[in-house]
Amino acid sequence: EVHLLESGGGWVQPGGSLRLACVVSGFTFDDYGMSWVRHAPGKGLEWVSAISESGDGTFYGDSMKGRFTISRDNSKNTLYLQMNSLGVEDTAVYYCAKHLMKMSFFDYWGQGALVTVSS
Amino acid sequence: EIVLTQSPATLSLSPGERVTLSCRASQSVSTLLGWYQHKPGQAPRLLFYDTSNRATGIPARFSASGSGTDFTLTISSLEPEDFAVYYCQHRRNWPHTFGQGTKVEIK
Repeated sequence: EVHLLESGGGWVQPGGSLRLACVVSGFTFDDYGMSWVRHAPGKGLEWVSAISESGDGTFYGDSMKGRFTISRDNSKNTLYLQMNSLGVEDTAVYYCAKHLMKMSFFDYWGQGALVTVSS
Repeated sequence: EIVLTQSPATLSLSPGERVTLSCRASQSVSTLLGWYQHKPGQAPRLLFYDTSNRATGIPARFSASGSGTDFTLTISSLEPEDFAVYYCQHRRNWPHTFGQGTKVEIK
């Protein structure tokens, strides 16, 4: 059975940093691209970032470029999202998600990690 | 960036009714569009990928179609568990943006 479990969420002041992790099981991690998607209160889903199977390809939403870094450790079955220069607009539940195939749609999701940016 | 516009924003319907949701892209995404269902407190659920390929476990009352810039998701007869927010997403190029969602609520 496929499982994705996020950790690392919490409260941070504006301008601060946070690193999210997503540990996966139940599938061959390095066979699939992975993404982070967020859901801000009262808003819709927003795709944040994606990484290829090997980690050599990374992609970001426009508002995340230069602030967020996605990475993965295939030996640890773990996906990461380093978030710097956080603003109140980054407050959201952050989901890690497995791509169905290559850099495709998301067939499995974690339960989400809440990130609150507030002074 | 490709902008996906979903309509309507909200639908108020009763169980048993038929519902059609629309997703329009600002430029062609070919057939590289997917649909998700999202309920409060839960992770989103993939319904369809690449326009009309039903994801695992999705009931036959759900169908999807379209190509280019215009896409639809249809639920033939609403069940109580279908009341949720529905999102479209493309994978034509980066960023793989979502639409703003259509909320299907109980009338």
